[in-house]
Amino acid sequence: GNSVTQMEGPVTLSEEAFLTINCTYTATGYPSLFWYVQYPGEGLQLLLKATKADDKGSNKGFEATYRKETTSFHLEKGSVQVSDSAVYFCALRAGSARQLTFGSGTQLTVLP
Amino acid sequence: DTEVTQTPKHLVMGMTNKKSLKCEQHMGHRAMYWYKQKAKKPPELMFVYSYEKLSINESVPSRFSPECPNSSLLNLHLHALQPEDSALYLCASSQGADGQRISYEQYFGPGTRLTVT
Repeated sequence: GNSVTQMEGPVTLSEEAFLTINCTYTATGYPSLFWYVQYPGEGLQLLLKATKADDKGSNKGFEATYRKETTSFHLEKGSVQVSDSAVYFCALRAGSARQLTFGSGTQLTVLP
Repeated sequence: DTEVTQTPKHLVMGMTNKKSLKCEQHMGHRAMYWYKQKAKKPPELMFVYSYEKLSINESVPSRFSPECPNSSLLNLHLHALQPEDSALYLCASSQGADGQRISYEQYFGPGTRLTVT
């Protein structure tokens, strides 16, 4: 079956630090990959996506590259801000399936 | 506009009450979803509607009853809920139809925070 594994949280960083949240996946075929962010008390927002190998998704300073050889889609940001504090979910959609498979989520706290 | 709206934002109901959650999107999406999210967990899929027809029911108890009156609206009718049903209920929508291998992303609403007393 399909699965997504995210690094365990919580992650606490100082403002302007470099962020990496690891995400690896298991899926049949060629899944599409997504990062969603959930701010406190809100729903999920699509942060970025990649649909094929070597694609790089980017948005709001965040980036992730679809690495088929390592089945990974790690989220990175060069300089985090306090406003980036949230829970980040890695997800995949495999083939023609409509369901998303989510990772467990990573809580990020950025301190001023 | 990539907005999905949900009402109410908060709902408190007793175990004998009947209530409904509402979701609306005006992006022309043809697939709509209900998810349940417990604290500090990822969302769990409950139902999927495709072209206003129920296409996926993830073995959800019958006390949850979905309805899709038209392509823009999705309701979730609640009856005789249990305290363990307290959670954030998220609605989402996406383009696409059955069998299409297209990576349509899902857009989520802000959710309804449900408390069952």
